[in-house]
Amino acid sequence: ETGVTQSPTHLIKTRGQQVTLRCSSQSGHNTVSWYQQALGQGPQFIFQYYREEENGRGNFPPRFSGLQFPNYSSELNVNALELDDSALYLCASSLGQNLRETQYFGPGTRLLVL
Amino acid sequence: AQSVAQPEDQVNVAEGNPLTVKCTYSVSGNPYLFWYVQYPNRGLQFLLKYITGDNLVKGSYGFEAEFNKSQTSFHLKKPSALVSDSALYFCAVSSPGGYQKVTFGTGTKLQVIP
Repeated sequence: ETGVTQSPTHLIKTRGQQVTLRCSSQSGHNTVSWYQQALGQGPQFIFQYYREEENGRGNFPPRFSGLQFPNYSSELNVNALELDDSALYLCASSLGQNLRETQYFGPGTRLLVL
Repeated sequence: AQSVAQPEDQVNVAEGNPLTVKCTYSVSGNPYLFWYVQYPNRGLQFLLKYITGDNLVKGSYGFEAEFNKSQTSFHLKKPSALVSDSALYFCAVSSPGGYQKVTFGTGTKLQVIP
C-alpha cells in the first residue's frame, strides 16, 4: 500500500453535472498531482499542486480545477461533465515537487459520465 | 514535447524465463525515466527510476532497467518471470526543472504463462 487514498472508488454522473474527487496524501507530502487514465491508455497529467498552489498544468481545460489543503488532502473538481471525461482519475503524492522525489499513487476513482 | 513509446501491447513469457518490456523515449535534455506497474482495478505502483548515475537501475520485486542514451531506450528486465508479475506496465519520462509533468506510455500487458 502506498498510503494514498482516494474517494469515492466509483462514481456515475450525467453530462453537464459537476463532480468532486478527493485524495488523501501521505503525511508530510506537500505535492500532489492528478492524472486522467482513459480505458486502455496511460495516465495523462492534469495538474500539480505544491503547498496549496497550482504550479503546473497539462492539456486540460479550465473546467478541471483543484484544491490542496494543509492537512495533506486535495480535491479535483470537474465542471460541465462530458462523456469523454469517463476515466480512472489518479492522484499521486510526493515529498516535493522535484522529480527526484518518488510519486506514490492512490487506487483511483472510476468516473462514468452518461 | 516529450513522449514515450512502448512498442508492444502485450508480452508473453513462460514462468522462469527472462522477460523484457521495451520502452523508448523522446525528451529535451537529460531524461528522468520511470517504470510503474498496474494491477487490475488498482492504482500505479512505483518500480524504479533513473535520474542520473549508473545506467543499470535496480528496483522492486527483482526488476531492473537499463538506460541507453544513444538508443533513447529504458527497457525493463527481470531474470526469471513469476506468474504474479502478470500485470500492466507503464514507462514514463520527464525532464529536469519545474514541476513533475510526467508523460506515460500506453502500457504493455505482461502475461507470464505457468
